[in-house]
Amino acid sequence: KAGVTQTPRYLIKTRGQQVTLSCSPISGHRSVSWYQQTPGQGLQFLFEYFSETQRNKGNFPGRFSGRQFSNSRSEMNVSTLELGDSALYLCASSPEGTVNSRQETQYFGPGTRLLVL
Amino acid sequence: GNSVTQMEGPVTLSEEAFLTINCTYTATGYPSLFWYVQYPGEGLQLLLKATKADDKGSNKGFEATYRKETTSFHLEKGSVQVSDSAVYFCALRRASQGNLIFGKGTKLSVKP
Repeated sequence: KAGVTQTPRYLIKTRGQQVTLSCSPISGHRSVSWYQQTPGQGLQFLFEYFSETQRNKGNFPGRFSGRQFSNSRSEMNVSTLELGDSALYLCASSPEGTVNSRQETQYFGPGTRLLVL
Repeated sequence: GNSVTQMEGPVTLSEEAFLTINCTYTATGYPSLFWYVQYPGEGLQLLLKATKADDKGSNKGFEATYRKETTSFHLEKGSVQVSDSAVYFCALRRASQGNLIFGKGTKLSVKP
């Protein structure tokens, strides 16, 4: 099976712009989560989608949003970019279908490295 | 709240040395516990996991045992190689929340 894919891999934007990142989960996986990784804050959870619905959300401002499509592919959007948004954005998928299976393994993509100038 | 604490790095070892990276957690209930590894310029790869108390996860010579009584999940390897140089993350996941909660990561450098 192909792994989690993320596009683009690298992105350079300027302050005030917006950006959209894409994630394709492993085939058959229905849950997609997004994380932000920075040297200072480490790995922080952004949001989780399951069956096109946001199921859980981390502590990020409303400039960060996401969605999931019927084929489980997901996008995240950051509007009005700030310098502090420079980070590696990681997408992870897992197969779960029940509440109890939300403890299953999440499989990560290679990430999108965003640089805001 | 839920949290993961792992030993600060960097850790520098010689090849064939014994490795221990400590990880303790705070969580209600019975979370699943994970070790992920990140090589330079890459995403996270699952190294091993354990889903209940006393379970031992193992992979590629690495081991970790889910200790409920000490709320720990320490990573060990008997003989490290240069290729093990990477950043290691301990994480937990609870069914009620679904997201992974990570420790800050431990950078391991193995010298030949």
